[in-house]
Amino acid sequence: DQQVKQNSPSLSVQEGRISILNCDYTNSMFDYFLWYKKYPAEGPTFLISISSIKDKNEDGRFTVFLNKSAKHLSLHIVPSQPGDSAVYFCAASPNTGNQFYFGTGTSLTVIP
Amino acid sequence: DVKVTQSSRYLVKRTGEKVFLECVQDMDHENMFWYRQDPGLGLRLIYFSYDVKMKEKGDIPEGYSVSREKKERFSLILESASTNQTSMYLCASSLFLVELGAPKAFFGQGTRLTVV
Repeated sequence: DQQVKQNSPSLSVQEGRISILNCDYTNSMFDYFLWYKKYPAEGPTFLISISSIKDKNEDGRFTVFLNKSAKHLSLHIVPSQPGDSAVYFCAASPNTGNQFYFGTGTSLTVIP
Repeated sequence: DVKVTQSSRYLVKRTGEKVFLECVQDMDHENMFWYRQDPGLGLRLIYFSYDVKMKEKGDIPEGYSVSREKKERFSLILESASTNQTSMYLCASSLFLVELGAPKAFFGQGTRLTVV
């Protein structure tokens, strides 16, 4: 059973606007949450993470929000740029840090 | 920077062949993983290893085996390749230290395997 879910397979956003990617999880034992970005024919690259003791983490144009009671996290990209067009994977890890559970991905297209 | 290197970018194999996918990491990470990525299914864990000669099954281990004889190298073996194993295979390594914050998995560039 999928423990990390991304219910939107795709998202299109105009350049300069905000992109919001969503992720839900089922296991309350997850302690860390990560976002990865993946271009075609390349491996995923780490983007940003958040610990379960926080509700927000920011890095430049990227902000991740965590709502533990709802078991929901989101990634905000502001402003969106055409180079942000990629597949974004949400991932969760328990406190041992030795496993990563990935969602199915959301394909983001930023329209110039 | 962490480097995870997969031996091939593209492979074409015949049904029934034994296939070896090799992965090497250069950062002395304890944990290594093999995932496959398929459209609409995301990244699914095949096997992982948290130490030399140790291995654990992931979500979809059937038809695969792994080998970790040295810390830096993690091999995925398709015992008898089948067409439903056509996929993108991704190797990753990770290290987790509480003082460094969240664990991170570092991925290789991927191997696109086609079984005909």
